[in-house]
Amino acid sequence: AQSVTQLGSHVSVSEGALVLLRCNYSSSVPPYLFWYVQYPNQGLQLLLKYTSAATLVKGINGFEAEFKKSETSFHLTKPSAHMSDAAEYFCAVWQAGTALIFGKGTTLSVSS
Amino acid sequence: ETGVTQTPRHLVMGMTNKKSLKCEQHLGHNAMYWYKQSAKKPLELMFVYSLEERVENNSVPSRFSPECPNSSHLFLHLHTLQPEDSALYLCASSQDANTGELFFGEGSRLTVL
Repeated sequence: AQSVTQLGSHVSVSEGALVLLRCNYSSSVPPYLFWYVQYPNQGLQLLLKYTSAATLVKGINGFEAEFKKSETSFHLTKPSAHMSDAAEYFCAVWQAGTALIFGKGTTLSVSS
Repeated sequence: ETGVTQTPRHLVMGMTNKKSLKCEQHLGHNAMYWYKQSAKKPLELMFVYSLEERVENNSVPSRFSPECPNSSHLFLHLHTLQPEDSALYLCASSQDANTGELFFGEGSRLTVL
């Protein structure tokens, strides 16, 4: 069975600092992996996705994630945080024939 | 028009009421979903419809009743709910049911008194 673990329910950074949100997955076959973002009072929006092509995936708003099979990880990074990045971020795993499985989410706070 | 629209955005109901949540997608997608989002819990998939047929029902209590009259509309009928059903209910759509790329609405915040 697939599963997703997001390490740290809350991450705080200063504006301009590196953002690192951690995600580890468990899957018996190579999965597709996703990061979604949820801004306050809104639904989820796709940030980026890994579909077995390039291991370094670039998404919207300057975010990127690297698929590391040996570490079963798909961590999300952004070199320089902006106040508008404050939101909740969800890692998710999917395989053909199954439903999308979400992690519990990580709330990112950005201070000036 | 936005891609996926949910109404109402906020709903307060008593345990004996009957109400419905509505979702409409303008993306030409063939699959639609209901998710439940509660505080400190992962998103819970409730129902999946593909080409208007229900393809997944994750052991959801019968007090939640979905309806998909066509590929653009999805309803969630609510009756005799419990306070623990208070949550954000998210509708999503996708090109087909065999993808992890979903497009979400803004959600309906439900409070059961």
